Amino acid sequence: ETGVTQSPTHLIKTRGQQVTLRCSSQSGHNTVSWYQQALGQGPQFIFQYYREEENGRGNFPPRFSGLQFPNYSSELNVNALELDDSALYLCASGGGNSYEQYFGPGTRLTVT
Amino acid sequence: AQTVTQSQPEMSVQEAETVTLSCTYDTSENNYYLFWYKQPPSRQMILVIRQEAYKQQNATENRFSVNFQKAAKSFSLKISDSQLGDTAMYFCAFMRDQYGNKLVFGAGTILRVKS
Repeated sequence: ETGVTQSPTHLIKTRGQQVTLRCSSQSGHNTVSWYQQALGQGPQFIFQYYREEENGRGNFPPRFSGLQFPNYSSELNVNALELDDSALYLCASGGGNSYEQYFGPGTRLTVT
Repeated sequence: AQTVTQSQPEMSVQEAETVTLSCTYDTSENNYYLFWYKQPPSRQMILVIRQEAYKQQNATENRFSVNFQKAAKSFSLKISDSQLGDTAMYFCAFMRDQYGNKLVFGAGTILRVKS
């Protein structure tokens, strides 16, 4: 157990809809990163939040956005869903005196 | 940009034997961090072992050890006394430095441990 939780576990949405995924980080971790993992591939970095501000972004369009809250929770929002957005979405928390990132169990998003 | 390459899509090993998973990476950085993560069918990404590039000594965690060759940009994972519970997808990952804000992952190697 990493102490990082994500909700929901599974989600099915229709193309064009919007979705919000949630992550609860370990207490004391001031960074949260989001990754997209397509089936059979390695995770791809979406963005990181540090102390509630975006701190680096991968090659993802602006319809992927996020929020980080003072209570160590965070959200990933995806607008105008596309079929290719179907993937496992992982959040990872870190920070403090450690460079390590600890992953949650992921949310499986299916876009139909 | 950094890249991570895992050239073995699938590997299998008999229980109690030793297996080595390969990873190479490309970077112009001198100080960085390397990781091996395990992802079983439950999907939870679990940190197996980590290596700081400034350390010459190879990292070891119980049955898991690495062979870090900085000049060759190679970072292989050796699993000794393989157990059925080691069956999983293994990812090699790179982080630029301790302030780096992202992990760059390889495509993964599926490891199957057979009884």
